[in-house]
Amino acid sequence: QKEVEQDPGPLSVPEGAIVSLNCTYSNSAFQYFMWYRQYSRKGPELLMYTYSSGNKEDGRFTAQVDKSSKYISLFIRDSQPSDSATYLCAMRGVYNQGGKLIFGQGTELSVKP
Amino acid sequence: GAVVSQHPSWVICKSGTSVKIECRSLDFQATTMFWYRQFPKQSLMLMATSNEGSKATYEQGVEKDKFLINHASLTLSTLTVTSAHPEDSSFYICSAKGQLNQPQHFGDGTRLSIL
Repeated sequence: QKEVEQDPGPLSVPEGAIVSLNCTYSNSAFQYFMWYRQYSRKGPELLMYTYSSGNKEDGRFTAQVDKSSKYISLFIRDSQPSDSATYLCAMRGVYNQGGKLIFGQGTELSVKP
Repeated sequence: GAVVSQHPSWVICKSGTSVKIECRSLDFQATTMFWYRQFPKQSLMLMATSNEGSKATYEQGVEKDKFLINHASLTLSTLTVTSAHPEDSSFYICSAKGQLNQPQHFGDGTRLSIL
């Protein structure tokens, strides 16, 4: 079993839809949770960075962390064609080696006009 | 803020040559830098972690002599692929992290093609 599980998709939605992306994990030591967006042939771009459980909102994006269920989510409201990309969840513990991240497999999202 | 620049973005070279890739943090001091390799439709695979002024820590299965990493300053790390062969062709991405609990910020990657 992988430490972090993420549905690879692909996920296709119409423009304006609400998108829900999810990851589950098995290591209870994870405390820092991130969502990155990666366009084709580009490096990942940090979207959301949260510590421990709770919600965080930034514009059309909302990140949720439920440590009791070992489950994190990213919601995208009013999705746009420009949101079409691969979304990677990533996480790490507090004391792990130099801040090494554990990544999900990435979910490929396509937003159709 | 938190910009990481990676150069070159694309390189094509002949088998047997060595290729150097640079990773710079432009607006923050990177105490730790990471080098990843990514295959098509796959997630990032960590190759090594480097701290400024220290030897890099390589992940299991990564050849240290093949992939030389230097982290000479708080804003620059380099990855040199020595005696590159076609199987080394891939997308290489660096990331940089500031102190304590700062997140990793990624460069735009280098597409390496070995003929």
